[in-house]
Amino acid sequence: DTAVSQTPKYLVTQMGNDKSIKCEQNLGHDTMYWYKQDSKKFLKIMFSYNNKELIINETVPNRFSPKSPDKAHLNLHINSLELGDSAVYFCASSQRQGYEQYFGPGTRLTVT
Amino acid sequence: AQSVTQLGSHVSVSEGALVLLRCNYSSSVPPYLFWYVQYPNQGLQLLLKYTSAATLVKGINGFEAEFKKSETSFHLTKPSAHMSDAAEYFCAVTISGGSYIPTFGRGTSLIVHP
Repeated sequence: DTAVSQTPKYLVTQMGNDKSIKCEQNLGHDTMYWYKQDSKKFLKIMFSYNNKELIINETVPNRFSPKSPDKAHLNLHINSLELGDSAVYFCASSQRQGYEQYFGPGTRLTVT
Repeated sequence: AQSVTQLGSHVSVSEGALVLLRCNYSSSVPPYLFWYVQYPNQGLQLLLKYTSAATLVKGINGFEAEFKKSETSFHLTKPSAHMSDAAEYFCAVTISGGSYIPTFGRGTSLIVHP
């Protein structure tokens, strides 16, 4: 009965490959987010969607493309993976913009 | 733009001692403030939040924080540390009525010694 779920939990791939991470929330929230957490635990917001509309698009390489097919889902597609993309990626949701966020368990991406 | 500063990347306390994790923010408008906890290999979990109601906010696991506008601070405290409190703690801010971009501090690792 997980509130925010992500798949896969671990992702190991080679440079140059394309991969996707999926996120689903069953909380009925309007807003969803993608974050990148580096090895020093620094958490950086990448994207946010509100009611399927992109509202936050921080300085992220255009190899990263989010897609929200509906309010409950937010996927992240990454093209041409690079070593520096290795990190833990977290999905989160909130009832509305600015409200407290509920985080998924994370996807640990390792690019070799 | 808002920002968050967490003083001390690591805080070490003995079990039973007071826990104090510091957070200062900058914002030109009233903020919403949050503390999250992250246990190893898990996502972040909300501890407590301030959204312009009572300035002393109580959260889960015995934690509380006080919003002090004059000091632009939102420090997290717990009277008596438990071994299970060892984790990474993040302070975060969003701006009420603004762009709502969440900004997180760099985190403080709480170490609890027996």
